[in-house]
Parts: sequence; structure tokens; C-alpha cells
Amino acid sequence: QQPVQSPQAVILREGEDAVINCSSSKALYSVHWYRQKHGEAPVFLMILLKGGEQKGHDKISASFNEKKQQSSLYLTASQLSYSGTYFCGTGAKKWETSYDKVIFGPGTSLSVIP
Amino acid sequence: DTGVSQDPRHKITKRGQNVTFRCDPISEHNRLYWYRQTLGQGPEFLTYFQNEAQLEKSRLLSDRFSAERPKGSFSTLEIQRTEQGDSAMYLCASSSEFTPLHFGNGTRLTVT
Repeated sequence: QQPVQSPQAVILREGEDAVINCSSSKALYSVHWYRQKHGEAPVFLMILLKGGEQKGHDKISASFNEKKQQSSLYLTASQLSYSGTYFCGTGAKKWETSYDKVIFGPGTSLSVIP
Repeated sequence: DTGVSQDPRHKITKRGQNVTFRCDPISEHNRLYWYRQTLGQGPEFLTYFQNEAQLEKSRLLSDRFSAERPKGSFSTLEIQRTEQGDSAMYLCASSSEFTPLHFGNGTRLTVT
């Protein structure tokens, strides 16, 4: 079942922060975050496998609340290069073979303006 | 690592015609996936292979769609008797058990 994302779209000024939420009515086994720039392929950002896990690199991080079946992506001090559509995806299996079929949400469009 | 390669990049066809797309995955990856993406939507899962075995096919996929991966390397996706609703970006991705999905740049299909 496709996860739900919010907000649908967000516009930020450079330096501002944003949070993108991802939730599912079914159990979330793993959460995958991807970013797609206009006209390009989706690019992997990170995967969270366990409830309570938090990950990040640079100024983009994510958390995973397995009990609430939710994940959030945090973008701090946004840069122009952060613009794009962010997709969360749910993995099909729990624990085994982390990189397997991914079901993607509808995406959140993020625009960073000067 | 030359990335996932898809061919052609664009395809315009008339309704009722058959089309075939090709995907060359990253050579070390044994898993290959096909997704479809329409404007403003996330990639929609179609099917995936582990080596040459097709492990799953989406129930949303009609019988007009077929995919093959004959030697566990490249894959083809064929759409028979195309309809206007088939117009979309068709994305291929590959992975191994320990690496995330890497996507190709896609084939944009326009059915007129």
C-alpha cells in the first residue's frame, strides 16, 4: 500500500528549515528516502530500518517511528540545491534483504528560492 | 560503475502499436525493477527480477505488459497494443541485496 506524504508542496527561502512527513496505514518495515530533480532520475538519500533510528548526512536527516508507522525527513539551513521532489518509500519485507521492492509515496515538491 | 542505462530516451507511438524498451543495469546488481511514473506522482511499481527470475508483477499491470530478463543481465519491457493511458515515464532500477535502488534516466513514452 502506498505511503502518504505531507505536505504536498513547500516553498522555502535559502537557510530555512523544512520537515517532510511520511506515514502508512500498514506496518512500515523500512523507509527509503529519494530525491528527484526535474527531468532526472530519483536518487537515493537514505534508508531507515529500525524504529527509533535516525540518520543524516550534511544537513538532511531522517527519523523513523515504527510504532506510529511514520518517518520524517528534516532539511536544515536549506540550499538552492535541495530543490526537487522528495519521495518516501516503504520496503516490502521486514529485516531481510533490506534492498528489495520499494513502494513510493506521491512525493513532496520542495522549492528553495534565494 | 556506469549507472543504469535505458534505451530509448523518448518514444512516440500511435495507439495500437507495440513498443519495447531496454534496460541495462549496473553489472554487479542482480535485482532489476521496472516502475512507471506519471506527472506529479511517485514511481509506481510494475515488476522486478532477481537474476533471470521474475519474482513479482503488479496486479495493476495488464496482460499487455510483459518483461523479460533472459540471461539475468539486461531486461526488456514490452507494451502491446498501446493505449493513450500508457503514456508515462518508464523507469528501470537495479540493486543488489546490499545496495539501494539505482534508477536510470527513464524512457518517456507518448502514445498519440
